Amino acid sequence: GESVGLHLPTLSVQEGDNSIINCAYSNSASDYFIWYKQESGKGPQFIIDIRSNMDKRQGQRVTVLLNKTVKHLSLQIAATQPGDSAVYFCAENFGDGNKLVFGAGTILRVKS
Amino acid sequence: EADIYQTPRYLVIGTGKKITLECSQTMGHDKMYWYQQDPGMELHLIHYSYGVNSTEKGDLSSESTVSRIRTEHFPLTLESARPSHTSQYLCASSEWRQSSGNTIYFGEGSWLTVV
Repeated sequence: GESVGLHLPTLSVQEGDNSIINCAYSNSASDYFIWYKQESGKGPQFIIDIRSNMDKRQGQRVTVLLNKTVKHLSLQIAATQPGDSAVYFCAENFGDGNKLVFGAGTILRVKS
Repeated sequence: EADIYQTPRYLVIGTGKKITLECSQTMGHDKMYWYQQDPGMELHLIHYSYGVNSTEKGDLSSESTVSRIRTEHFPLTLESARPSHTSQYLCASSEWRQSSGNTIYFGEGSWLTVV
């Protein structure tokens, strides 16, 4: 079918290195942010979230940083592994919480 | 762990055929969504629902239609499929919680090919 939208940017990293995936969000009133991981042929899966009253949150091997001043969100993956290869989407929530707005996504490729 | 199921996972159909993509969730979520995604491309919201008997158009115009007769079920229908409808269709659901926000949980997706 005819593709709609833009092609996703790609980040290539060496296995074992740290990865940083960036996302610019659109609405300064957004109060909740989520990172999703989508492996090939599967639906997006929740990785980590952060509320707007925080600037950093850590999970297992992942850290999300929020800079509200410049409306920027980043996902850091420590010691990147081949299994981390996927498309990563950020999403922002604002208003009455009825739907999330997704960013364009970034393809992460891990080289062994 | 999310309990949201889509069928069929893969389907190839001829032009002009009617197709319904099924989506069911067992979490009791009020809100449900359909996203369309081409390989390597963005997610586009095409339909959503606040609850039973509620349906809304999403950000991307779509020739598909949806219904929400039961909380757990949100089927998507194409009355007359065309090759331009070839894509992956992702169903999702969510529930707003003060502690965790509006986290959306996705199904595995339905890959539709129209020949």
